[in-house]
Amino acid sequence: GENVEQHPSTLSVQEGDSAVIKCTYSDSASNYFPWYKQELGKRPQLIIDIRSNVGEKKDQRIAVTLNKTAKHFSLHITETQPEDSAVYFCAVFMEYGNKLVFGAGTILRVKS
Amino acid sequence: NAGVTQTPKFRVLKTGQSMTLLCAQDMNHEYMYWYRQDPGMGLRLIHYSVGEGTTAKGEVPDGYNVSRLKKQNFLLGLESAAPSQTSVYFCASSYERAHEQYFGPGTRLTVT
Repeated sequence: GENVEQHPSTLSVQEGDSAVIKCTYSDSASNYFPWYKQELGKRPQLIIDIRSNVGEKKDQRIAVTLNKTAKHFSLHITETQPEDSAVYFCAVFMEYGNKLVFGAGTILRVKS
Repeated sequence: NAGVTQTPKFRVLKTGQSMTLLCAQDMNHEYMYWYRQDPGMGLRLIHYSVGEGTTAKGEVPDGYNVSRLKKQNFLLGLESAAPSQTSVYFCASSYERAHEQYFGPGTRLTVT
């Protein structure tokens, strides 16, 4: 069945440090892996995504890595800033069922 | 461009009452989705639509119905509300199926 596990559930880092959030999935046919950021009281917004034909993608301080063999992918935020504090969700597009399945989310707190 | 809009923003219902949530998008997207968000559980797909006149069940469809009579609108109905349906409801739309989803601002529903 469809299963997306996200760890850790909460993460506190000092401003300037790096943060890493990891997700694992079960459907080997999955080929699209987005990450969403949701600030308190706001809507989720896409911050980066990766498709299964690449192993890594970077956008300034944010990067995503994908290991299709092991069925896991990770979000890396470098030089964290207080405005990075939010809930981050990974998601996996499941070919079976034709839908996006979200992880439970990670609360990231950046302490200044 | 308003993007994705939802009405109402907040609603309180008594058990057994009915209501309809409206989602509208002005991006000419084919795909539209309804999610519910509960603490610690991420976003769970209720129903979705792959085009005008079509609907399909997601992960948690029980107790909800949907309609997509016009391409730009996707309605979510609760026929007989239950306290377990207390949640924040997000609508989203996308151009393609495995593609960025744009979320509305959410509707906070409380069922007493």
